[in-house]
Parts: sequence; structure tokens; C-alpha cells
Amino acid sequence: ILNVEQSPQSLHVQEGDSTNFTCSFPSSNFYALHWYRWETAKSPEALFVMTLNGDEKKKGRISATLNTKEGYSYLYIKGSQPEDSATYLCAFPNYGGSQGNLIFGKGTKLSVKP
Amino acid sequence: GAGVSQSPSNKVTEKGKDVELRCDPISGHTALYWYRQRLGQGLEFLIYFQGNSAPDKSGLPSDRFSAERTGESVSTLTIQRTQQEDSAVYLCASSYLGAAGEQYFGPGTRLTVT
Repeated sequence: ILNVEQSPQSLHVQEGDSTNFTCSFPSSNFYALHWYRWETAKSPEALFVMTLNGDEKKKGRISATLNTKEGYSYLYIKGSQPEDSATYLCAFPNYGGSQGNLIFGKGTKLSVKP
Repeated sequence: GAGVSQSPSNKVTEKGKDVELRCDPISGHTALYWYRQRLGQGLEFLIYFQGNSAPDKSGLPSDRFSAERTGESVSTLTIQRTQQEDSAVYLCASSYLGAAGEQYFGPGTRLTVT
């Protein structure tokens, strides 16, 4: 059974702080790595799907990097805002390909204080 | 276009009763997933449908759980003889590219078994 680990479990920052968190995944048979944002009372929303080693993706103040050889991805948020408060999930294909389900990490819960 | 929809949004049922949850995926998405999140836990994979292939039922927690999908459209998740530990938010997601592409989540059904 594949394991996707996320750290830290939770994070409390002040508005304006920049922050980052980690997703660790199996480095063998890498296919893709997903990041999702899950706000309270809403559905998870895709942020990035990353496929290439060294890939860096950006959406506004949020960016992510990928190291497939060592099996980790970082998600960065620059200048955190209260609306960034959410649980950030990463996920990895269970069967190492385009078929099959995603295995989700338990997430990092970010709280941004105004 | 329309996103993934789920019904009902909330369901309260008595222990021992059967419940049926419905998911309407995005049109054209061949992959459909059911997940659940129990209180304080991460997203747990339940079942996956891909086109006309046999579904991957490996995540179903017991034989009280079953799911069907009509072609590449509506799916229903049925839980028979509900137990209190079945209380959770049940999320449906669909994807065009399977595990290679973003998953689009529905708003979820909150199931409470009393």
C-alpha cells in the first residue's frame, strides 16, 4: 500500500507571512503528483498536477516544486491571506499510471490569522 | 459548464437502514471516484469507475457498501444496514484523464447515522 505523508499536520501563521509545507511520496514508478485545496464546507479543488522532475508550477501566490528522485514536493504560499486558510492535500496515483485512484495524504491544515 | 453534483447534501438515517447516495459527474469524464472523510480522518478511497472497465472496489470497507455507474454518467453508492461508523462526508469526483488529470469534486453528502 502506497503511503503519502504530509507535514506539518497543521500550521498557524499571521497574515502576510510566507509559508511552505511538504508532501513525501514513493519515488519509484513516479507518474504524477497532485495538490488540492480543501476549504471548510466546500469541496476539494485542484491546484496543480505535476509530472516532471524539477517542475515548478504557480497559481497566484501559491507555487509548488517537485523532486521525483527523492520523492517530495513543496507547496509555497507567499504573503498568506486569511482566505488561504484551508487544508492542503497532496495525492499520488495508486497504481503508478493514469488508471486507478489517487492516494491522498492527511493534509496540512493552514490557518491564517488577520 | 456544470460541475459534479451530488444528492442529497445531507442525510440523517437510523442505524440499520439502507441509504443511496447519488453522483452526477461532469459530462465526458470517463473516470468517477467515491471517497469519504470520517471525522478527524483524511480522504479515504472507496471505489473507482473507468469507462466500461470493471470498477476497482478495493477501497470498499465492507460488503454492505456497493456502487453502480450507468455508462459514463450517474453513479449511486448504496450502504446497506448502516452503522454509526458509516457517518462521514461522502465525496464523488470525476476526471477526464484518470489519475493523470485533475479530479473535480462534488459538494459531498454528509451522512449521519443515529
